[in-house]
Amino acid sequence: NAGVTQTPKFQVLKTGQSMTLQCAQDMNHNSMYWYRQDPGMGLRLIYYSASEGTTDKGEVPNGYNVSRLNKREFSLRLESAAPSQTSVYFCASSVETGINAEAFFGQGTRLTVV
Amino acid sequence: AQRVTQPEKLLSVFKGAPVELKCNYSYSGSPELFWYVQYSRQRLQLLLRHISRESIKGFTADLNKGETSFHLKKPFAQEEDSAMYYCALRDDSNYQLIWGAGTKLIIKP
Repeated sequence: NAGVTQTPKFQVLKTGQSMTLQCAQDMNHNSMYWYRQDPGMGLRLIYYSASEGTTDKGEVPNGYNVSRLNKREFSLRLESAAPSQTSVYFCASSVETGINAEAFFGQGTRLTVV
Repeated sequence: AQRVTQPEKLLSVFKGAPVELKCNYSYSGSPELFWYVQYSRQRLQLLLRHISRESIKGFTADLNKGETSFHLKKPFAQEEDSAMYYCALRDDSNYQLIWGAGTKLIIKP
């Protein structure tokens, strides 16, 4: 049981390049999330999808787009990467977004924008 | 504004000593609090949640509404407890988690 799988694990981009971070979960969870983690800060929510077919902005959505392709997959796209987007990105999923729904995390993607 | 503060970036204690990782929160509603842990080369995972009032791997955490704290404690630290620990608060207006910056716990032999 793989849980939450993120690809790639590492990526270096040049400023202005685009890329898509992929995330898939095999736990039949309804809700999926994208976070970024910067040094000295907690995880910050970029976008989330409470259920298949819906997406909503989180705390720091600027510069990103997402697609909930189906119940399993939730991708994060950087259309024009900027150095400020250098970060570690985590995908997570939960059964639902309700109180006490445990979040399950991927292993993270370390992205560097030069 | 909702906020979670973990005042210690790094905490280093000897094996067998008591451990307390601090977490303070600012929240206007009734808080739902969690501790997550990330061991080396492993994924971030749930350690415990306050509503369950459980003890996991010897760790406990009590919600103190008067002090707005949810400190994580263990009476006798073990080397395998070395990890990053994150405190998180569930915002019940949108059910999203608000995270602290994390504390790196190092257990010295």
